[in-house]
Amino acid sequence: AQSVTQLGSHVSVSEGALVLLRCNYSSSVPPYLFWYVQYPNQGLQLLLKYTTGATLVKGINGFEAEFKKSETSFHLTKPSAHMSDAAEYFCAVSDFYLGNEKLTFGTGTRLTIIP
Amino acid sequence: DSGVTQTPKHLITATGQRVTLRCSPRSGDLSVYWYQQSLDQGLQFLIQYYNGEERAKGNILERFSAQQFPDLHSELNLSSLELGDSALYFCASSTGRGNTEAFFGQGTRLTVV
Repeated sequence: AQSVTQLGSHVSVSEGALVLLRCNYSSSVPPYLFWYVQYPNQGLQLLLKYTTGATLVKGINGFEAEFKKSETSFHLTKPSAHMSDAAEYFCAVSDFYLGNEKLTFGTGTRLTIIP
Repeated sequence: DSGVTQTPKHLITATGQRVTLRCSPRSGDLSVYWYQQSLDQGLQFLIQYYNGEERAKGNILERFSAQQFPDLHSELNLSSLELGDSALYFCASSTGRGNTEAFFGQGTRLTVV
C-alpha cells in the first residue's frame, strides 16, 4: 500500500525565515504526490502536485517541492515565511497507477509563524 | 471557492440517529470522493464514485453508505451514529480521467452527542 510520512507534527518558523516541511513516501509504483494546505475551518486547497516530468514543482503562494526518488522524499519549501502561511499542511500520494485516484494523506504538519 | 459544495456545514445529532451529507461536485467533474477527518484518525479515505458507479472503497464502516446520482451529486449516509463518528467529512471531486487533482469542499462538521 502507498503511504506518506510527514516528519514533525508542529513546525515553528520566524516571519521571513525558510519554511521546510518534510514528507517521505512509500510506493510500489511511480507516485503522484501532492501538498495540500488547510486553513482553520476551511477545506483543503491544493498547493502543488508532482506527476511526471520536472522534479522541482512550483506551486501557489511561493511554495515549491522537489521530488527526489533516491530519497523517496517530496519536501515542501518556501524561502521566506509570511504570517498568512500559518496553517496545516498535508502531503498526499495518489493511487493513480493502481487504477484509481484516491489520496492517502500524511498526518499533517501544523505550521506556526513567529512574528 | 473550489466549486465543490457541501451541505450542511454543521450538523449536531444524537447517538443512534441517521444523517445524510450532500455534495455537489465541480461542473464537469465525474468523480466524487468522501473523506473523514478526525483528531485521532487524521484524514481517511472513505469511498469514491465515478459517474454513478463505485470505484474505490476505503475505511468505510458498514453503517455508512454513499451513492452518486445521475446529476452527479453524491450523498453520504451515516446511520446508528456513535460518539466516535464525530468528525469533519469532506467531499472532493475531480475529472476522474487521471493526472488531475481533487478539489475539496468546505466540509460538514458532524457532532454526535
